Order: sequence, then C-alpha cells, then structure tokens
Amino acid sequence: DIVMTQSPDSLAVSLGERATINCKSSQSVLYSSNNKNYLAWYQQKPGQPPKLLIYWASTRDSGVPDRFSGSGSGTDFTLTISSLQAEDVAVYYCQQYYSSPPEITFGPGTKVDIK
Amino acid sequence: EVQLVESGGGLVQPGGSLRLSCAASGFTFSSYSMNWVRQAPGKGLEWVSHITHTTNTIYYADSVKGRFTISRDNAKNSLYLQMNSLRPEDTAVYYCARDGGTGYACDYWGQGTLVTVSS
Repeated sequence: DIVMTQSPDSLAVSLGERATINCKSSQSVLYSSNNKNYLAWYQQKPGQPPKLLIYWASTRDSGVPDRFSGSGSGTDFTLTISSLQAEDVAVYYCQQYYSSPPEITFGPGTKVDIK
Repeated sequence: EVQLVESGGGLVQPGGSLRLSCAASGFTFSSYSMNWVRQAPGKGLEWVSHITHTTNTIYYADSVKGRFTISRDNAKNSLYLQMNSLRPEDTAVYYCARDGGTGYACDYWGQGTLVTVSS
C-alpha cells in the first residue's frame, strides 16, 4: 500500500509570511504515459468539506488565489502559501492516486495557524 | 451551480447496514466519475470508494472491501453506498465527491452525512 506522509504536523506563521507544507509518497505518482503527477492538495476549514486547491501537483483549481502554489515530482511535493492570510487557517491534505493496485490515499494533514 | 447532497446517515448497531445516497445537480452527472470519502470525528480524510461514469471500473479501500458496495443511477443523477457489516471504526462523516477528471482530484464535495456505529 502507498503511504503518504506530511510535514510538519502543524505550523504557525505570521500574517503575510510564507507557509510551506511537504508531502512525501512511498511510491512515485509520476505517470510516464502522460508525464503527470497524480497529486492534489486540499484545504479544509472546521465544519466544512475539503476544497480542492491544486491538481496535477502544480495546477491551481479555478478561483484559487495565486498565493497558493504546488511543486514537486515523483515522490516529493510541496504546497506553498506565499503570504499567509487570516482566512488560510485550516488543515491541508495532500492526496495521491496509484494504479497498481488502484487506490487513492490522503496524507495525514497539516494544521496551519496564525502566529 | 454544482451541488452534491448526501443523505441516509444515522445511528446503527455494529453488524448493521445502511445505504447512503448522494443527489447530484448542476452538471452532467453521467460524464463524471465519483468518490466516497469519509472522515472519522477529529481525524483525517480516508478515501472509501471510486466508480467511473460508466460503472465499468470500481475501486475500494481495503478497509471496506467486501462490506461496502458503491453504485450509481445516471438516470436519477444519484450515487449510492451500501454499507453492510458495519463496525464502530466506520463511524465518520461520509462525503460524496466528484472526480474532476484531473488525476483523480475531487473538485466538488457535498456537506457530508454522519454515520455512527454504536450499540
């Protein structure tokens, strides 16, 4: 089974400062057939369902502010919030798809707070 | 506007059964694969099951394989999850989520329905 890890478990960042979250997969999620990484990032605020931020590891979903960016390939990925805003306080999850056997796995989550 | 509305949750005894439904609107349901994802109280997200738009491919998490069955009715714009042999560890909010066709990323989510397995 694929294992997804995220670091740190939580972080506190001052308003306007950068927040960086790491996600690591035990197997590569880069598919040579289309050269795409099957890695997504979500934001979840208390009492709400998750919201898709990033897919294909680095493509922002429609309407997502450009302070959110994703990078990485293969097994190591990063979500960066370039200038933290108060409304960004949330838990952030990475998610991967692996084909053999077919499974979708979420990381354990990273909680982001204001310092 | 895309909407996904789950229903069917509730309190059930261990070993019991429950059927969840998800009513979809605002998009061509028959063109999209769908997922069920759950979240135990205070815990992270756990993918449960995936079904393609034509139902020709279905995946399950190992934790529910053999006990849960995903299905859909494209004529009724509805997704279902039949849950049998329920265990206390199945207690969670169950979300219906649309696969946006971008690497199995879920681009729309319902508000969820709570399933509690307890005696």
